[in-house]
Amino acid sequence: GAVVSQHPSWVICKSGTSVKIECRSLDFQATTMFWYRQFPKQSLMLMATSNEGSKATYEQGVEKDKFLINHASLTLSTLTVTSAHPEDSSFYICSALTSPLTDTQYFGPGTRLTVL
Amino acid sequence: LAKTTQPISMDSYEGQEVNITCSHNNIATNDYITWYQQFPSQGPRFIIQGYKTKVTNEVASLFIPADRKSSTLSLPRVSLSDTAVYYCLVGAATGNQFYFGTGTSLTVIP
Repeated sequence: GAVVSQHPSWVICKSGTSVKIECRSLDFQATTMFWYRQFPKQSLMLMATSNEGSKATYEQGVEKDKFLINHASLTLSTLTVTSAHPEDSSFYICSALTSPLTDTQYFGPGTRLTVL
Repeated sequence: LAKTTQPISMDSYEGQEVNITCSHNNIATNDYITWYQQFPSQGPRFIIQGYKTKVTNEVASLFIPADRKSSTLSLPRVSLSDTAVYYCLVGAATGNQFYFGTGTSLTVIP
């Protein structure tokens, strides 16, 4: 099956620092990846769509300068949370489309970010 | 954008069949219906996907009526390990037009 990994699985950082989260499709190429955040006991909120070789598309209300997304290859997308603050603490999850024909997203295991 | 409505929570005894229904009245012609399972602090896991009628795989069945305004995920003979949140996702991911609802928290009771 389609496997998506994320690294790191958890990270603790100080306020004001930047954190990079990697999302990799391990056994398939993904031209499109998605980034979500999820607060406790809430549903997933789509932050942005990452397309290989082009700029990410951000959802309304998501600051593109704060959440930098790079999709440099067909198997890797990164999310950088710049100048992180405690309110950025959340569970960040990526997903990848296996094929533009199937509309099936496969999700990574998530990254728990805690900003002190 | 097709919004979805699911029951917030459900309880079931072990060994029973569980049916979770999702309403999506504004589903578009090219929208798929996909169900995911999520355990705490994990990413969602794909369960099943369909477009119309009935789809079955080794873990679940998905029933979609002709008007496609709702769908029902059927889990046969649930066990304690099926306790999780189940999300119904409707839309076309290729067009970045999809909606994650509130999910249904299923608790399986011994």
